[in-house]
Amino acid sequence: DAGITQSPRHKVTETGTPVTLRCHQTENHRYMYWYRQDPGHGLRLIHYSYGVKDTDKGEVSDGYSVSRSKTEDFLLTLESATSSQTSVYFCAISELGTGFNQPQHFGDGTRLSIL
Amino acid sequence: GENVEQHPSTLSVQEGDSAVIKCTYSDSASNYFPWYKQELGKRPQLIIDIRSNVGEKKDQRIAVTLNKTAKHFSLHITETQPEDSAVYFCAASKGDTGFQKLVFGTGTRLLVSP
Repeated sequence: DAGITQSPRHKVTETGTPVTLRCHQTENHRYMYWYRQDPGHGLRLIHYSYGVKDTDKGEVSDGYSVSRSKTEDFLLTLESATSSQTSVYFCAISELGTGFNQPQHFGDGTRLSIL
Repeated sequence: GENVEQHPSTLSVQEGDSAVIKCTYSDSASNYFPWYKQELGKRPQLIIDIRSNVGEKKDQRIAVTLNKTAKHFSLHITETQPEDSAVYFCAASKGDTGFQKLVFGTGTRLLVSP
């Protein structure tokens, strides 16, 4: 299994509170991603990082921000959580490759409930 | 942007039968097509992937085929077993540096009955 640790694994919070999810990798992979998974939608990309302090938006980035100050850590922040952000959040990593795509490997996920 | 459609949404088979899941994609520049298996409450796990320079890839009971002209790819599982029961996701992306923005299908729930 890829060395990816997500924390916390479960969290319940209230609308309007800030929430930060952490993804930690021990693989020294260059690329890191945050997805959310909702019934009927599969996995959708929120934000991604292609290096330390280099991040960009995915398809569902509204209401989320990210930071990557070290290669091994990628943080996802909900500045003011809303009920629509109740979801399962997955972090993924992939390695730098030349001339071909590298597979993404996923962490165990964080189940976030916003009441 | 890329759009990936996946069918069927649910698939029930008897143990030992074959199962086929199909996906279509919209962006002709997509060149990487992974398949993930997700058991209940677990993380998605890569089971097989294919790049656009090949038409078929096999790994024991699992195979993936790609038709670039028609822009569709399929997952084939032979001799299904109860432990194959899970949700399967297809995805597509483009690029050649290791970085890819995967676009996922909505998943197929496979149930293998003993």
